[in-house]
Amino acid sequence: SQQGEEDPQALSIQEGENATMNCSYKTSINNLQWYRQNSGRGLVHLILIRSNEREKHSGRLRVTLDTSKKSSSLLITASRAADTASYFCATAVDAGNMLTFGGGTRLMVKP
Amino acid sequence: DAGVTQSPTHLIKTRGQQVTLRCSPKSGHDTVSWYQQALGQGPQFIFQYYEEEERQRGNFPDRFSGHQFPNYSSELNVNALLLGDSALYLCASSPDRGLYNEQFFGPGTRLTVL
Repeated sequence: SQQGEEDPQALSIQEGENATMNCSYKTSINNLQWYRQNSGRGLVHLILIRSNEREKHSGRLRVTLDTSKKSSSLLITASRAADTASYFCATAVDAGNMLTFGGGTRLMVKP
Repeated sequence: DAGVTQSPTHLIKTRGQQVTLRCSPKSGHDTVSWYQQALGQGPQFIFQYYEEEERQRGNFPDRFSGHQFPNYSSELNVNALLLGDSALYLCASSPDRGLYNEQFFGPGTRLTVL
């Protein structure tokens, strides 16, 4: 079973626009991570946010975490065609590294 | 510094056969996890190996087994293949610091069961 649910399942925007993806989960977590996947290949780690953190930035990425609502969001600012990919949130309920993934958001950025 | 490598890239098998997939972790990493990703879905955790022992296991039948070698590389074995085992199999490695560790994924092995 999958702990996280991403919303929306698919998103299509124009280059330069911002893209926001949301993730909800069910149980208490140790940390939440966002990954990117191009065309069914390996996943690339984007950002990790700990359960005691509320916001984190990395370049054009901004992640928020609301543990009271069991939700997180990933914002990609000034999107580029190269950002076209699937984005997954993954939660770790303990520090033992097992990750539980959501179903992903498929982002298409049109040039 | 090589990242996580997996072999083979693609594999075609028939129902009932057995398959072995291989993974070499990123240099300096001693923990290896395996995930199954069906088409259009998120990865699902199969199991994790540390110090040559299975440390955690997801909701997968005993047909799925694994092994970790002293050099930290790992194998995933699937017996009595079913059509539903067709998926992308991903290996991920991480250092066992016991804290908030990101995982580094390999490119995956695409298994097709006919």
